[in-house]
Amino acid sequence: DAMVIQNPRYQVTQFGKPVTLSCSQTLNHNVMYWYQQKSSQAPKLLFHYYDKDFNNEADTPDNFQSRRPNTSFCFLDIRSPGLGDAAMYLCATSGGTGTGDHEQYFGPGTRLTVT
Amino acid sequence: AQSVTQPDIHITVSEGASLELRCNYSYGATPYLFWYVQSPGQGLQLLLKYFSGDTLVQGIKGFEAEFKRSQSSFNLRKPSVHWSDAAEYFCAFSGGYNKLIFGAGTRLAVHP
Repeated sequence: DAMVIQNPRYQVTQFGKPVTLSCSQTLNHNVMYWYQQKSSQAPKLLFHYYDKDFNNEADTPDNFQSRRPNTSFCFLDIRSPGLGDAAMYLCATSGGTGTGDHEQYFGPGTRLTVT
Repeated sequence: AQSVTQPDIHITVSEGASLELRCNYSYGATPYLFWYVQSPGQGLQLLLKYFSGDTLVQGIKGFEAEFKRSQSSFNLRKPSVHWSDAAEYFCAFSGGYNKLIFGAGTRLAVHP
């Protein structure tokens, strides 16, 4: 089945220790998104890629970076995690408005704990 | 400003009762509308979507939603709730710029 896969599902890192979260998709979608979701809140968009075009949200801290080496994979790098970065990180994909596909398909998320 | 309002933060219903979750949006045109459901510790699953055409849309798990342009609303309904429907429900819209605008969510609890 075509899907969005996130690894790992649970990640524990130490305060200040860089961490990378991974997302892959088999949908061949143009757009890949990273969201941060804290408890009892809506997902907050950090950034998205349209193909290789990177789009950062204005309020995304510099501590968060992303890489998309190819269509299938996208990575979220947190350079120096703080306690406030503990959250669920959701990856999503969509075909993109150019295809008429506005729906976003979500992965299961990675729960990040910072100790 | 573009926004989505879900007025109810928490709703509790009895199993077998009907359900309506409210959603209002603010946007200058007709948006693409979505309802997603999220179980604890899981990602978001699409329940249904409205792009155009029939304003009453059917989704998965017995859910439906009705788009009312005059009220800028897209309320989610289910005639008979099951205990497994307990989850967080998010209304969202896309204005066509590859982004979703989410509401704050409604947490549904189901009493046996």
